[in-house]
Amino acid sequence: DTAVSQTPKYLVTQMGNDKSIKCEQNLGHDTMYWYKQDSKKFLKIMFSYNNKELIINETVPNRFSPKSPDKAHLNLHINSLELGDSAVYFCASSHRDGNEKLFFGSGTQLSVL
Amino acid sequence: DQQVKQNSPSLSVQEGRISILNCDYTNSMFDYFLWYKKYPAEGPTFLISISSIKDKNEDGRFTVFLNKSAKHLSLHIVPSQPGDSAVYFCAASLPTGTYKYIFGTGTRLKVLA
Repeated sequence: DTAVSQTPKYLVTQMGNDKSIKCEQNLGHDTMYWYKQDSKKFLKIMFSYNNKELIINETVPNRFSPKSPDKAHLNLHINSLELGDSAVYFCASSHRDGNEKLFFGSGTQLSVL
Repeated sequence: DQQVKQNSPSLSVQEGRISILNCDYTNSMFDYFLWYKKYPAEGPTFLISISSIKDKNEDGRFTVFLNKSAKHLSLHIVPSQPGDSAVYFCAASLPTGTYKYIFGTGTRLKVLA
């Protein structure tokens, strides 16, 4: 059983399109995150959610809208995709905030053409 | 402003020898540090962590050392094995309530057989 699963693994799309990435964790964790790994391989936090509530929005453009229907799911919807959105997006979860390890999904490689 | 830095993008080590990966940080508020290992096309997986109240933590072949005065941590792998070849990220978290883990840019370790 995969602890943190995200779909799709690969996403190729045209500029201007809208797309979603889904994430689910079966670990019973309270906190979920979205990270972006850009071309320089830098893993940068985008959003943190705790018990379905948004805690952190790291100056991400409002074209990115996370949605957490319940504690086990955190989806990422991206409107009007731009070339610069091409990256690998990782979902992660932790039991709670602070002094806890993060569990990551396998990533979604987004390519915007 | 990169608060967690891994200044060596790559490292090659002979099988059986020690691998030492380094990480520096700037924010003295960080109180928990983690190391992650990442294979291509997979998500980062947790390796080992250390709380700021300790200076060493050991788990099998992996040992993490923390020097708070120097704001420096290192990961030692002894003995190194070819399967250890991967990208290693160090990460730091702020005290509970901040929901934020900050990652370095990674060091690619190659263990030569």
